[in-house]
Amino acid sequence: GQQVMQIPQYQHVQEGEDFTTYCNSSTTLSNIQWYKQRPGGHPVFLIQLVKSGEVKKQKRLTFQFGEAKKNSSLHITATQTTDVGTYFCAGGPGTYKYIFGTGTRLKVLA
Amino acid sequence: GAVVSQHPSRVICKSGTSVKIECRSLDFQATTMFWYRQFPKQSLMLMATSNEGSKATYEQGVEKDKFLINHASLTLSTLTVTSAHPEDSSFYICSAFARGGRRTDTQYFGPGTRLTVL
Repeated sequence: GQQVMQIPQYQHVQEGEDFTTYCNSSTTLSNIQWYKQRPGGHPVFLIQLVKSGEVKKQKRLTFQFGEAKKNSSLHITATQTTDVGTYFCAGGPGTYKYIFGTGTRLKVLA
Repeated sequence: GAVVSQHPSRVICKSGTSVKIECRSLDFQATTMFWYRQFPKQSLMLMATSNEGSKATYEQGVEKDKFLINHASLTLSTLTVTSAHPEDSSFYICSAFARGGRRTDTQYFGPGTRLTVL
């Protein structure tokens, strides 16, 4: 079946450093979504990418969807302690059914 | 923003009992809801797709007789873990898609239910 892998699994950064997580799907995706889950919390929707090669920005966060629509990345510039959490990508062949990636856990050291 | 609630937030039960978890969309109608389970420090695993007025669609490896799903209205889906065993202990999270409008294609997650089976 479809698999969605993320690397790295864990990342520790000093506050102010940049951070990137990569998402790779075994199949072509209709679209991809990104979520953030704080420790003890539930996933919170960040963004959705639909078009091949699409790039979207949200303040310090930059999201990219690959040309082949099988990979995506999330880049955070100048991390802050509030960025701590696990970042998941989620994609699927159709519109509604999403398979979550393995997640990248980010720790930011003050 | 859209709100999805889950009840209960935490439940502890004895092995062999059944537990019902409710997922409600509070300010929008959801024709489709999803049930996930999440083990500690792991990703969310899709268990089933719940469609209002029809049978749920279960993912491979998920026992439909073990995890009963009912989507009786456009705002409520329930997951019943029948004859629970310790290995069913997990964090269960539901999500809902809005029906049309600008919220389409965005999942809204409930806060989750932590089930502990003794």
